[in-house]
Order: sequence, then structure tokens, then C-alpha cells
Amino acid sequence: GENVEQHPSTLSVQEGDSAVIKCTYSDSASNYFPWYKQELGKGPQLIIDIRSNVGEKKDQRIAVTLNKTAKHFSLHITETQPEDSAVYFCAAERLKNKLVFGAGTILRVKS
Amino acid sequence: GAVVSQHPSRVICKSGTSVKIECRSLDFQATTMFWYRQFPKQSLMLMATSNEGSKATYEQGVEKDKFLINHASLTLSTLTVTSAHPEDSSFYICSARPQGATNEKLFFGSGTQLSVL
Repeated sequence: GENVEQHPSTLSVQEGDSAVIKCTYSDSASNYFPWYKQELGKGPQLIIDIRSNVGEKKDQRIAVTLNKTAKHFSLHITETQPEDSAVYFCAAERLKNKLVFGAGTILRVKS
Repeated sequence: GAVVSQHPSRVICKSGTSVKIECRSLDFQATTMFWYRQFPKQSLMLMATSNEGSKATYEQGVEKDKFLINHASLTLSTLTVTSAHPEDSSFYICSARPQGATNEKLFFGSGTQLSVL
């Protein structure tokens, strides 16, 4: 089955700096890679996603890149703000089957 | 984006009682909903896939008689934790994908914090 590894587990950045979170997956048949932001006591919120036929996708300060050959994908947040502080999860899915989540990254943006 | 409503947000119950959690898709229909469990500072673990009009599919290690799932309509799935014990205390989250959607976007409810005394 699919296995998703995510790192770092914690990340502290200064406000205004960029943050990068990386994930690797094991199943080469996986074709959908969403990223979720989870605040304390709340459910995950989809922030961006990418399909396997695309190498990069951007939405304002957030971007995701995908390297199918290496089976890894990354989340990039630019100009970080304190409200970006949360837990971020990557996930991988094969053919609308079910999402497999990474372990999560605690992002702290220091003002 | 699509809205998934989960209720209650928090419940405290005595050991041995049963607790029902509701998951509703407010502005779309979903033939499939998913139930996850999350322990503090851990990732989401899929418990079961809820299928409208049929039996749920449980992940390995999840007791189907312990966690009863009913998906009676295209907008509602319920999870009942039967004879709850302190070790069942956890954050339970549901998710749903719009029926017939050409993309794969999965939307989550706000979660239910279950505390069993």
C-alpha cells in the first residue's frame, strides 16, 4: 500500500520568510496530492492540491511542486504570516481510493 | 468550497455508554464518506469508508461492532461509538467528496472531540 513520509515534523520561521515542507510517497500509481492545514481542535482544511499530470501549481502565497520521477512533492509558503501557524498534512491518493496522510508538520511563524 | 458539517463538536460521556456523531454534506451529495480518528499530535488514520445504501468498509484493526456506521442518505453518515471506554477518547473527523465530481477534492468536517470518563 501507499506510504507517505513528511518532513520536517516541526518548522519555525520568522514572519515574512518562506516555509517549505516536503513529502515522499511510495506508490507510483498515486495521482492526486492534496495539502491540508489543520488548526487546533478543528478539521483539516484543503489549501491546495495537485494532480500527477502537473508539475507545479500556485495559489497566491502557496505553491506545490511535484516530481513524479522522484516521487516527492513539496509545499511552499512565501511571505509567511502568524496566521499561517498550524499543522500541515500532505496526502497521496490512488484512483479516488483513499487518502494516505503524512505525519504532519507543525509550522510556527514568529512575529 | 463544499461544506461538511459535523455534530457534535465535543462530547463527554461515561464509560459504557454509546455516542453518535453525525456528518452532513450541506451543499452537495456524497455516495461515499470517510471516518478518521486522530490522537493528539498524530496524523489522521482512516477508520472506515461509509457507502450510501450499503455496508461500510472498515480498515484493518477497526472493530465494526464497536464503531457502527450508517449512511442512510446521500447527505448524512453517522458514526456510533458503542459501549465507549476511555481508550476510545479521541478526535473523530469525517470527510466527503462531491458525488460525480471530476476532481478528487475531499472536504472535512470540523471534528468531534470525544472524551470518555
